[in-house]
Amino acid sequence: EAGVAQSPRYKIIEKRQSVAFWCNPISGHATLYWYQQILGQGPKLLIQFQNNGVVDDSQLPKDRFSAERLKGVDSTLKIQPAKLEDSAVYLCASSFTGGNTGELFFGEGSRLTVL
Amino acid sequence: AQSVSQHNHHVILSEAASLELGCNYSYGGTVNLFWYVQYPGQHLQLLLKYFSGDPLVKGIKGFEAEFIKSKFSFNLRKPSVQWSDTAEYFCAVITNNNDMRFGAGTRLTVKP
Repeated sequence: EAGVAQSPRYKIIEKRQSVAFWCNPISGHATLYWYQQILGQGPKLLIQFQNNGVVDDSQLPKDRFSAERLKGVDSTLKIQPAKLEDSAVYLCASSFTGGNTGELFFGEGSRLTVL
Repeated sequence: AQSVSQHNHHVILSEAASLELGCNYSYGGTVNLFWYVQYPGQHLQLLLKYFSGDPLVKGIKGFEAEFIKSKFSFNLRKPSVQWSDTAEYFCAVITNNNDMRFGAGTRLTVKP
């Protein structure tokens, strides 16, 4: 079974530039999550989708971050404009039924460096 | 504020030593509890989980964790660590909101 796919693995940009990350969850997984993991910290939930609807985006900095999952399958996370403090690994995860009854499967992450 | 606390930031052990990593959470309602591991250069993987029933949960690679409701704790244990257990370990909680909250992580270094 293929895992959660993410791209790009690494991205270096200058502040005020924009960046986009892509995630393809495990086939059949209805729930998709984007997490931000800053060095030395645990992953922090940015947004959770159930199919193509947003379940929780309370911690997403909506002035600069946006995410979509238009067809309920793959998803894109965008940052525009980027700030230095956005340097982090962006993790995508998926689950079959939602985390409350099943485990989350994580991708390898996209590491962003903002200069 | 609701949170997940991991007491140890970095633990260094010799092979065959016993391991216990602390995890406390501050959510008052029903919770599901997890330990995830991240080996160097790899993605987060599930070690074990607790939803209900026996509070002593056994996971992969000889790890176990005990849920103590009165202490709001879910500590991870292994009787004898190996060099290959060197990794970062994250405790996580799912609350009624159905989103997973992680602790800051504990880095384990096992010396051969």
